[in-house]
Amino acid sequence: GAVVSQHPSWVICKSGTSVKIECRSLDFQATTMFWYRQFPKQSLMLMATSNEGSKATYEQGVEKDKFLINHASLTLSTLTVTSAHPEDSSFYICSARGGRQGGHSYEQYFGPGTRLTVT
Amino acid sequence: DAKTTQPNSMESNEEEPVHLPCNHSTISGTDYIHWYRQLPSQGPEYVIHGLTSNVNNRMASLAIAEDRKSSTLILHRATLRDAAVYYCMVTSTSYDKVIFGPGTSLSVIP
Repeated sequence: GAVVSQHPSWVICKSGTSVKIECRSLDFQATTMFWYRQFPKQSLMLMATSNEGSKATYEQGVEKDKFLINHASLTLSTLTVTSAHPEDSSFYICSARGGRQGGHSYEQYFGPGTRLTVT
Repeated sequence: DAKTTQPNSMESNEEEPVHLPCNHSTISGTDYIHWYRQLPSQGPEYVIHGLTSNVNNRMASLAIAEDRKSSTLILHRATLRDAAVYYCMVTSTSYDKVIFGPGTSLSVIP
């Protein structure tokens, strides 16, 4: 299947600082990327949908000024957690939709996740 | 998107078949049924998807009820590496997002 990478895989930052997480589709062009957050023992919660070249669409309750999403190219989307606080500590997962030639266009391919710890 | 319901947890003995059920009674005619699984501390992994007919791939089989209101993911021989949370989702042909339910946590007993 298609490959999606995330960088970094884990990060520890101090409260009040900002952290950027990258999501890349390695072997296909992703017109749409999604960002999820997952707390321990819970399911994934969709945060936002980003389409290349346009503004992200945020889910209800997700602060767009705190979680900045940029989808500047068909292979890269970034999530920046601004002024991070301990309650932002979570597992952040991206996914990309686009599929390779012949692939099902509605499949989503997920990145390995980024573990954020805010101290 | 149509809602799905799954059992919270299931257990299986190693090397035995596992049938993971999913109810999606509000599915509409053109909605696809997708299954993903998530191993601890990893991103979800695509397992299989289908529309109306049963589907097989190297990972699993998907049995879809005739009325499409339920489906079953079948792992033919469970291994310890199959221990994961399995998510069933229903997506429309024009969907822009996938909403995860709580999923089924599968334990495999050696």
